[in-house]
Amino acid sequence: SQQGEEDPQALSIQEGENATMNCSYKTSINNLQWYRQNSGRGLVHLILIRSNEREKHSGRLRVTLDTSKKSSSLLITASQAADTASYFCATDENTGGFKTIFGAGTRLFVKA
Amino acid sequence: DVKVTQSSRYLVKRTGEKVFLECVQDMDHENMFWYRQDPGLGLRLIYFSYDVKMKEKGDIPEGYSVSREKKERFSLILESASTNQTSMYLCASSHAQWDNSPLHFGNGTRLTVT
Repeated sequence: SQQGEEDPQALSIQEGENATMNCSYKTSINNLQWYRQNSGRGLVHLILIRSNEREKHSGRLRVTLDTSKKSSSLLITASQAADTASYFCATDENTGGFKTIFGAGTRLFVKA
Repeated sequence: DVKVTQSSRYLVKRTGEKVFLECVQDMDHENMFWYRQDPGLGLRLIYFSYDVKMKEKGDIPEGYSVSREKKERFSLILESASTNQTSMYLCASSHAQWDNSPLHFGNGTRLTVT
């Protein structure tokens, strides 16, 4: 089963611009996480937002969560070429934990 | 920093071979996971384990088995490799908590079955 679905599938922006990626999911969740994957590497955890939180910040990252719409967004401000990567949202199935389900990801390309 | 090490970055195997993918983590994590990643499909969960000798099926367990004899090591086994198992395989680990704690990933094993 695929819980989260990211939108858009691909995004190309200029360095310095903001990048926004969206994620929708299907069932109730305890929390939602965002990960980054550089080409050919493993995923790196960026940020976790709990179901009772609406917004969270970490450096240039801002994540929002709307549980009524079952959606989340990841905003990267003042993007840099090094932000070029794929970004995935991930949610737990409502089974009390352990299983983390990923979406297909958004490929972000930041042009220098 | 947590380190999750996958034994091979690239593997090429023949159809019908038995294949072992090894994963070791050094942070005493209780949970370990195996995913496969294919273009357009994202990451799909194959198996996971929340304790030594414990295993649970993920979403696509067919054609795979796992072994967790020690806490730090989680092995994925392809009993008889097939071409549709050509993929990137990612191992991950996390602490056991009542809700999801972040996953720490290895760098992946790109398996080609010919």
